[in-house]
Amino acid sequence: QQQVRQSPQSLTVWEGETAILNCSYEDSTFNYFPWYQQFPGEGPALLISIRSVSDKKEDGRFTIFFNKREKKLSLHITDSQPGDSATYFCAASDNYAQGLTFGLGTRVSVFP
Amino acid sequence: DMKVTQMPRYLIKRMGENVLLECGQDMSHETMYWYRQDPGLGLQLIYISYDVDSNSEGDIPKGYRVSRKKREHFSLILDSAKTNQTSVYFCASSLSGGAPLSEQYFGPGTRLTVL
Repeated sequence: QQQVRQSPQSLTVWEGETAILNCSYEDSTFNYFPWYQQFPGEGPALLISIRSVSDKKEDGRFTIFFNKREKKLSLHITDSQPGDSATYFCAASDNYAQGLTFGLGTRVSVFP
Repeated sequence: DMKVTQMPRYLIKRMGENVLLECGQDMSHETMYWYRQDPGLGLQLIYISYDVDSNSEGDIPKGYRVSRKKREHFSLILDSAKTNQTSVYFCASSLSGGAPLSEQYFGPGTRLTVL
C-alpha cells in the first residue's frame, strides 16, 4: 500500500498560471514533508519542505499548504514558468525514519 | 558547493556479473542512502548507512549489499547482477538520519542496464 500518494500523475498549465500538486499520506507519525524537483537525467533536488507544526511554508513562487487533520498537503507553484517543467515528488519521514518515503510523482508541463 | 557524486553515470553489465556503484559526498554528512528509481514505482530505499560500518537495510535490500569504510564514501554492490536490477540508482546524503536534520541531497544517478 502506497504510504504517500500524489495526484494528479501529470499536469499541464500555461505560463503564468498556478499549478497545484496534491499529496496525502497514511502514517500519522510522519512529521517532515519535503518536496523534490527532478529534471530528466538528473537526481531529485530539494525544493521546499514543511514540518507538521506548520500549516504553510512559502519560498518565492512555491508554497506548501499542510492539513494535519486530513493528512493532506499541496504544493502551489504560482506564476508558472516553462523552466518549472519537471517531475515533483512529495516525500515524508518521522523522527526515526530510515530514509524518506516518496510518492510516485507529478509530472508538470508548463507551456509558454 | 555541497555535492554528492556518483560513478559511473552509465553502466551496462551482463547477467551474473558483479557490479560496483560508487558514491561520494563532501559535506561530512553522517548518513548516506541508496535508492533505486523505476517507472511506476518511484524511489525505493535499498540501504541506509548511519556512519562508517553502520548500515541498515531499507525497503528492498534483497540482492544488494553495501560498504562504507570512510564517512565520505558509500558503495552499492550487486553480486551476480540480475536483469530485474536494471534501474537508475541514486545515492543521497543527509546530516542525520532522522528529522529534523534529514534533508537529503541526491547525486545525479547511475543508469544500470543488466543484459
